[in-house]
Amino acid sequence: DAGVTQSPTHLIKTRGQQVTLRCSPKSGHDTVSWYQQALGQGPQFIFQYYEEEERQRGNFPDRFSGHQFPNYSSELNVNALLLGDSALYLCASSVHRGNIQYFGAGTRLSVL
Amino acid sequence: AQSVTQLDSQVPVFEEAPVELRCNYSSSVSVYLFWYVQYPNQGLQLLLKYLSGSTLVKGINGFEAEFNKSQTSFHLRKPSVHISDTAEYFCAVSETNAGKSTFGDGTTLTVKP
Repeated sequence: DAGVTQSPTHLIKTRGQQVTLRCSPKSGHDTVSWYQQALGQGPQFIFQYYEEEERQRGNFPDRFSGHQFPNYSSELNVNALLLGDSALYLCASSVHRGNIQYFGAGTRLSVL
Repeated sequence: AQSVTQLDSQVPVFEEAPVELRCNYSSSVSVYLFWYVQYPNQGLQLLLKYLSGSTLVKGINGFEAEFNKSQTSFHLRKPSVHISDTAEYFCAVSETNAGKSTFGDGTTLTVKP
């Protein structure tokens, strides 16, 4: 049983560019959450998707957007990249209103 | 709003010694509490969770934690650490059935031979 998978593993972009990160949830899970983990800090909640809709959102600008597909996989899009967007982006999946989240290994984004 | 404070940013300890990683939280509603471990260049692995019931919870790799509602704390303990326990540890809190978590800034546990 595959766990949460994220792609790509690493990504290098320049300021102003746009990026798309992908996540496949654990089998049986229907809810996907995205977190940003800056160096030396804990993960910060970006948003959560369920039934292809954004259900909750953290304190992130509109440059951060997402999508969930009918197969429950999800994408995180970041527009107009800033140096400060450099971080590890983690995807977590769960069942709807479940208590336990399972995390992927993350995508390391470097913005130059 | 919720917040999590991990009281020690770094904890060095010798192998086979006991260790305690401290976590305090703040919330106006009932919460669930979690401890995660993160090894270099990896995602988060759930060590243990408190959802309800007994305030002493046991997790993987010999770790345990105690929920103290009056002190709003959820400290992580292990009676005897190994070199392989060297990692970053995160305490997290979530509102019941909310699905999202608020994390502390982490504690770096370094186990020395």
